[in-house]
Amino acid sequence: AQSVTQLDSQVPVFEEAPVELRCNYSSSVSVYLFWYVQYPNQGLQLLLKYLSGSTLVKGINGFEAEFNKSQTSFHLRKPSVHISDTAEYFCAVSEGTGGFKTIFGAGTRLFVKA
Amino acid sequence: GAVVSQHPSWVICKSGTSVKIECRSLDFQATTMFWYRQFPKKSLMLMATSNEGSKATYEQGVEKDKFLINHASLTLSTLTVTSAHPEDSSFYICSARDSGTSGTGELFFGEGSRLTVL
Repeated sequence: AQSVTQLDSQVPVFEEAPVELRCNYSSSVSVYLFWYVQYPNQGLQLLLKYLSGSTLVKGINGFEAEFNKSQTSFHLRKPSVHISDTAEYFCAVSEGTGGFKTIFGAGTRLFVKA
Repeated sequence: GAVVSQHPSWVICKSGTSVKIECRSLDFQATTMFWYRQFPKKSLMLMATSNEGSKATYEQGVEKDKFLINHASLTLSTLTVTSAHPEDSSFYICSARDSGTSGTGELFFGEGSRLTVL
């Protein structure tokens, strides 16, 4: 069975500073990897996804992530954050079988300060 | 993009009553939908996989008689919380995978339904 570990529960950062949100996963088969963002009292919105091919994936709002198979990681980065990026970020893994059941990490609260 | 709609977005009920939450895929067909539960400041816990035309598959520890799931069509899945109690209060989120999207596994999420049981 797959699992996801988000190493930081909270990440405070100043506006316009770079940020990295860490994610590690484990699975016995090939997986698809995702980052989702959740604003208060809302559902989840897809930031980006890795399915195959290039290990550097670019998403919306200036975010990108790099798939590292040897380290089983999929860290999310943004070179310069804005106040509006304050939200909860979830890393998720989906195995390509069994209906693509998706498991989420515990989430990382990104708090951007002025 | 694909849109998933949940209704109601917010519901308050008395203890002992049942509450139904609907999840609809508005512009695509979904043979599979997923129901998640999210506690305050916590991650999403997968409750069950809803399969069109067949029984749902529940995760370990989830009471299937408490959380009834029906996936009667390719665009609608419902979650009924039966005999609700205060500990069932939570944020329930559904998601769906576009059956026409080959092999991506991407999920589209509803806006969530906040249930408060008094």
